[in-house]
Amino acid sequence: GAVVSQHPSRVICKSGTSVKIECRSLDFQATTMFWYRQFPKKSLMLMATSNEGSKATYEQGVEKDKFLINHASLTLSTLTVTSAHPEDSSFYICSARSSTGESSPLHFGNGTRLTVT
Amino acid sequence: AQSVTQLGSHVSVSEGALVLLRCNYSSSVPPYLFWYVQYPNQGLQLLLKYTTGATLVKGINGFEAEFERGETSFHLTKPSAHMSDAAEYFCAVSLQGFQKLVFGTGTRLLVSP
Repeated sequence: GAVVSQHPSRVICKSGTSVKIECRSLDFQATTMFWYRQFPKKSLMLMATSNEGSKATYEQGVEKDKFLINHASLTLSTLTVTSAHPEDSSFYICSARSSTGESSPLHFGNGTRLTVT
Repeated sequence: AQSVTQLGSHVSVSEGALVLLRCNYSSSVPPYLFWYVQYPNQGLQLLLKYTTGATLVKGINGFEAEFERGETSFHLTKPSAHMSDAAEYFCAVSLQGFQKLVFGTGTRLLVSP
């Protein structure tokens, strides 16, 4: 089946530094990828929709200058958390569709646990 | 706007007992419906989905769900719980023509021996 690989699985960084998270579709091309944030004991919150070759579409309330998204190829999207603060600590998950059509399911990466100290 | 409500943040069952996880949604048009499972520190895995056709949908690991249009519900069931079913379960909806998924707040299933 379709596989989405996310790296790193865990990262600890100091306040003020930037962290890059990669999301790769391993056996399919994904023109669109999605980035979610999951707070403890909460649901997934869609942060942005990453479109290959164009700017990402951010959800309301998500700072695009803080959460930089780049979708440079059909198999790779990156999320960079810039000038990280402790409140950015969270579980970040990416997802992608393996085929066109809104009814096709999303395939998720295994997530990245970010801890900002 | 769409919304998803999962009743009960925690559900506890004994091994071998029936599993019932409730999901209600609000949508102005019939949506696509999904159930995902999440194990600790992992992403989400699709259990099953409803788009069109037969309203009873069978998924992986013995789970199934029925689309009840009149009740706007999509409850997840499994006849006999297994210890390995212990996880977080998320119901999600998307409107036809849109790619975004809206998730419920999740239900943690606890299975005791």
